[in-house]
Amino acid sequence: EAEVAQSPRYKITEKSQAVAFWCDPISGHATLYWYRQILGQGPELLVQFQDESVVDDSQLPKDRFSAERLKGVDSTLKIQPAELGDSAMYLCASSLLPANTGELFFGEGSRLTVL
Amino acid sequence: TQLLEQSPQFLSIQEGENLTVYCNSSSVFSSLQWYRQEPGEGPVLLVTVVTGGEVKKLKRLTFQFGDARKDSSLHITAAQPGDTGLYLCAGGVSVEGKSTFGDGTTLTVKP
Repeated sequence: EAEVAQSPRYKITEKSQAVAFWCDPISGHATLYWYRQILGQGPELLVQFQDESVVDDSQLPKDRFSAERLKGVDSTLKIQPAELGDSAMYLCASSLLPANTGELFFGEGSRLTVL
Repeated sequence: TQLLEQSPQFLSIQEGENLTVYCNSSSVFSSLQWYRQEPGEGPVLLVTVVTGGEVKKLKRLTFQFGDARKDSSLHITAAQPGDTGLYLCAGGVSVEGKSTFGDGTTLTVKP
């Protein structure tokens, strides 16, 4: 069964360091999402791509976060510099259709701990 | 911004009991999804409901979408320890083209 691949599964870093997360969506899924989930809360959308274009990045803290999907397939989310409040699970999801009509398929997530 | 409120926030029951969890909003959604998430893992899709009043069954789980497409419920019959997890609802809005998640209900089923 096709899956969304994410790496690394776990990342521990010190504040002010740079961090990067990678995601490979299900083959053929044009829509890719990055969500952040703080413990005890639901996922919060950071950025949505349609192919290689950003559809929504209104909740992405652009002073320190960046995301790209250069060839419209895999994607990278970067944080520089990391802050203590960035500790969370970073989830990547893909969808065959935009989320208003289609279901999201999530990866296992990348757990970030900032010390 | 559309908000989805889920209740209860936490629920702890014994194996074999029935339970219902709720997902409510003041906004209309074009579709609504339910996901189950285990600790340290990503959410896994359980079901999508689209039509107001729609009822879907998945083994011991029954999902209902409100007539006005603003709310939904998940009923589990004869809960089992394997049902333990975080149950998340997510609503999609056609105009904005994205999903909003609730904060979930954490269910613990004790053997």
